[in-house]
Amino acid sequence: KQEVTQIPAALSVPEGENLVLNCSFTDSAIYNLQWFRQDPGKGLTSLLLIQSSQREQTSGRLNASLDKSSGRSTLYIAASQPGDSATYLCAVLDGGSQGNLIFGKGTKLSVKP
Amino acid sequence: EAQVTQNPRYLITVTGKKLTVTCSQNMNHEYMSWYRQDPGLGLRQIYYSMNVEVTDKGDVPEGYKVSRKEKRNFPLILESPSPNQTSLYFCASSLNRPISQKAFFGQGTRLTVV
Repeated sequence: KQEVTQIPAALSVPEGENLVLNCSFTDSAIYNLQWFRQDPGKGLTSLLLIQSSQREQTSGRLNASLDKSSGRSTLYIAASQPGDSATYLCAVLDGGSQGNLIFGKGTKLSVKP
Repeated sequence: EAQVTQNPRYLITVTGKKLTVTCSQNMNHEYMSWYRQDPGLGLRQIYYSMNVEVTDKGDVPEGYKVSRKEKRNFPLILESPSPNQTSLYFCASSLNRPISQKAFFGQGTRLTVV
């Protein structure tokens, strides 16, 4: 059964730092991997989607990489800002799934001014 | 604006009193699903629908029902709520089975069953 793990569970950094969030999954047979941002009271927002055939995706200050063979993904945030403070969730779409995203438990990021 | 709308946002109810949480999307998406989020357990899928009149169970369907009579709506029904269904619920949609499209999530419904 697919399992998704995110490390660390929480991270606090000063404003301006570059940071990396980690995600690992146990079964490499995935269709894609998505990174989400969750703000309190505002639900989840999809940040980046990487197809299984891709190695990385970029959007602004965000860069997500995927190494399917090793079951790992990273989300790189450049020049962090207080507005980046949120919980970041990683989710994979299983190869055998009908659309059930398997989520990690998230990394709670706090960026201090 | 493209969005998934859930109602209500907050609900406190008593054990056994039937309730419905509504979900509506305005993007003409075929695929819709419901998740619950619990501390320490993360998000888990309850039910999903590939299209109108096509629904199926996710990982934690017990105690829930759904229907998909129209493309835009996908209500979640708790026939006899129990305290272990206290949770944060999210509705999600994508153009079709989310192989290549991003999933859009509603803002969540925080349900408390006493």
